[in-house]
Amino acid sequence: KQEVTQIPAALSVPEGENLVLNCSFTDSAIYNLQWFRQDPGKGLTSLLLIQSSQREQTSGRLNASLDKSSGRSTLYIAASQPGDSATYLCAVPRYSSASKIIFGSGTRLSIRP
Amino acid sequence: NAGVTQTPKFQVLKTGQSMTLQCAQDMNHNSMYWYRQDPGMGLRLIYYSASEGTTDKGEVPNGYNVSRLNKREFSLRLESAAPSQTSVYFCASSENGSADTQYFGPGTRLTVL
Repeated sequence: KQEVTQIPAALSVPEGENLVLNCSFTDSAIYNLQWFRQDPGKGLTSLLLIQSSQREQTSGRLNASLDKSSGRSTLYIAASQPGDSATYLCAVPRYSSASKIIFGSGTRLSIRP
Repeated sequence: NAGVTQTPKFQVLKTGQSMTLQCAQDMNHNSMYWYRQDPGMGLRLIYYSASEGTTDKGEVPNGYNVSRLNKREFSLRLESAAPSQTSVYFCASSENGSADTQYFGPGTRLTVL
């Protein structure tokens, strides 16, 4: 059974710092991995999608890496800003099937001005 | 282009009442999903529709029914609401299954008394 874990559950850092969020999964037979952002009281917004054949994806100040063999993904945020404060979730579909999408519980990130 | 829309935004029901949550997307996506989000449980898939005319159970389907009315609309029905169904419900869509980025609606906050 696929399990997705995100540690820590919460993180607070001062503005301007570079930071890394972690996502671990137990079954390496994944099709892709997605990172989402969720602001309080809002829906999820997709940040990055990494295909299983890729090692990393970049979008602006965000860089996501994927290591299937070790069951890990990281989301790197450069030069953090207060507007980056949100909950970040990773999600793993096992195969190309919606029935097997598993979400992590998220990391609640707070950037202190 | 509104993306994914959900109605209502808030709802309070009494135990045993029924209601239907509506979802529509204007991105011409084939796949649509219903999730629930609970504190400490993360996001869990209730039902999904891989394409128009098909629906299938996700992780927590008991107590719910769905209808894929057409390519744009996917509704979730609670026939006899229970307090355990108090949650935030999200609808999402993607072009083709979990291989593609998922786009989420703003959510419906449901309380069952």
